[in-house]
Amino acid sequence: QQQVKQSPQSLIVQKGGISIINCAYENTAFDYFPWYQQFPGKGPALLIAIRPDVSEKKEGRFTISFNKSAKQFSLHIMDSQPGDSATYFCAASRSNDYKLSFGAGTTVTVRA
Amino acid sequence: GAGVSQTPSNKVTEKGKYVELRCDPISGHTALYWYRQSLGQGPEFLIYFQGTGAADDSGLPNDRFFAVRPEGSVSTLKIQRTERGDSAVYLCASSLLGASTDTQYFGPGTRLTVL
Repeated sequence: QQQVKQSPQSLIVQKGGISIINCAYENTAFDYFPWYQQFPGKGPALLIAIRPDVSEKKEGRFTISFNKSAKQFSLHIMDSQPGDSATYFCAASRSNDYKLSFGAGTTVTVRA
Repeated sequence: GAGVSQTPSNKVTEKGKYVELRCDPISGHTALYWYRQSLGQGPEFLIYFQGTGAADDSGLPNDRFFAVRPEGSVSTLKIQRTERGDSAVYLCASSLLGASTDTQYFGPGTRLTVL
């Protein structure tokens, strides 16, 4: 069963707009939450990651918001650009583990 | 190249055949992972190597799947008696040490199609 649930499945945003992707998890042992970006024909690449001891992490136009009590986290892409068009995966892992549990992915299309 | 490489990029085979998929990790990375990505899904963990040994093969779906990493670098994923349900993109990743917060660097994958 999928340990990380991701939504929406796809979204379309205008250039300059904000893309928001949400993920939820059940396993409270998870304590590392990375986001991966995947372009067609390529492998996923780490975009940004967060630990549950902080509620928000920002890197450039990408921000992760984390709500430990709700067991939810989200990725915000500010000022979306056509080059951001890709599939985004949230993931989670435990501190004594190494394997990542991925969400099903969100395909983001940024219209110029 | 500095990244993870995988060969072949595409493999088409017939049901019942045997296939081998190869992964060349980033030089110096001790940890190596195989994942499988079905269409429209996120990658699913198959197996993890620390050095030469398979530290965790709990994600392998059945005994038709096997992987080796004999010298602690290149790894080969082997699938016997392939079935149509094995069709997917097989991704390899490597990380420096294998700690949970180590960045996993993914290769471009091998797209396997079983006819």
